[in-house]
Amino acid sequence: DQQVKQNSPSLSVQEGRISILNCDYTNSMFDYFLWYKKYPAEGPTFLISISSIKDKNEDGRFTVFLNKSAKHLSLHIVPSQPGDSAVYFCAASGDNAGNMLTFGGGTRLMVKP
Amino acid sequence: DAEITQSPRHKITETGRQVTLACHQTWNHNNMFWYRQDLGHGLRLIHYSYGVQDTNKGEVSDGYSVSRSNTEDLPLTLESAASSQTSVYFCASSDPGPTGEQYFGPGTRLTVT
Repeated sequence: DQQVKQNSPSLSVQEGRISILNCDYTNSMFDYFLWYKKYPAEGPTFLISISSIKDKNEDGRFTVFLNKSAKHLSLHIVPSQPGDSAVYFCAASGDNAGNMLTFGGGTRLMVKP
Repeated sequence: DAEITQSPRHKITETGRQVTLACHQTWNHNNMFWYRQDLGHGLRLIHYSYGVQDTNKGEVSDGYSVSRSNTEDLPLTLESAASSQTSVYFCASSDPGPTGEQYFGPGTRLTVT
């Protein structure tokens, strides 16, 4: 049973518009959430994270929102750029030391010029 | 600059052969991880290590083994390669801490014929 789910396998957005990527989790013990970005033929790279004690974290064009009661988080990219086209993975940690990550299945974002 | 490397980047092997994928990191991280990436499954944990001589099984460990004789390296061995092990393999490393942020290698694409 997947503890972290990304229900949209793909998303297409026009350049300049907002991209919203969603992630749901089932384990209430998760205490840190991360988003990774992956380009073809490269390894995933860390993008942004949020602690479970917060509901929002912002870094430039990227904002992550956490709704603990709904066990849902989302990544907002504003404005979207063609270079944002990639696969985005949601991940969660909850083993106290934050050593173990559980990943979602990924969402492929395509930003059209 | 610190980095994490994987070799080979591409490998084709035959069913039943033993294969070893190398992972080397210069971050001096205690934690190292092996994942496989398959369509629809995201990143699934194969094995992980929290330090020298420490190894642990992950979600999909059957048919794989690892050993940790020093801080820098965590080789992944497929004892008897099967077609179901055709995948892209990623190595990652991290330091213990609340965020769980992991640094990924570029990946190895393995094809078992």
